[in-house]
Amino acid sequence: GEDVEQSLFLSVREGDSSVINCTYTDSSSTYLYWYKQEPGAGLQLLTYIFSNMDMKQDQRLTVLLNKKDKHLSLRIADTQTGDSAIYFCAESYNNAGNMLTFGGGTRLMVKP
Amino acid sequence: DAGVTQSPTHLIKTRGQHVTLRCSPISGHKSVSWYQQVLGQGPQFIFQYYEKEERGRGNFPDRFSARQFPNYSSELNVNALLLGDSALYLCASREERETSQTQYFGPGTRLLVL
Repeated sequence: GEDVEQSLFLSVREGDSSVINCTYTDSSSTYLYWYKQEPGAGLQLLTYIFSNMDMKQDQRLTVLLNKKDKHLSLRIADTQTGDSAIYFCAESYNNAGNMLTFGGGTRLMVKP
Repeated sequence: DAGVTQSPTHLIKTRGQHVTLRCSPISGHKSVSWYQQVLGQGPQFIFQYYEKEERGRGNFPDRFSARQFPNYSSELNVNALLLGDSALYLCASREERETSQTQYFGPGTRLLVL
């Protein structure tokens, strides 16, 4: 069965880089996603990566995918206080991408 | 252009009651999915509908049902509410194109069962 795991909490100082990690178990995953959730809000898609890619960069965000170890990471450069939120990784299993399986979320706290 | 909208924003019910949650997708999106997010956990997939047909169902009891209307809006119904149904219910819509991998989430409906 599918399972997505994340560490619960990460604290960084403003201006530092943040790295949020995720492991997944189903090798048939086709797309892997990172979502951001601020308090009391819905989910905002930050970025996604196709499973045949190793890396994707989008402004301050860098996603790294290690398929052999089934490990996904999200690096946020120059972390700001506005980046404080819960970050979820998620995987999908087909091109339709309709059913997402989410990890439990990592709470990122950015200290000024 | 409006994003995914959900109503109501908050709801309080008692055990045994039923509840109907509503979702309007982004204009032009024909696919709607529902997720349950219990406090402190990641969202869990409940249903996906496309063109009024159920396309996927998660591991939820039959007390949970949904439907999609001709205008692609959707309702999630939960009968015989239990305390454990207290959660944030999220709706997501998506274009049904091969190259589209983005699901857009609404703000959610926060349900509290007492």
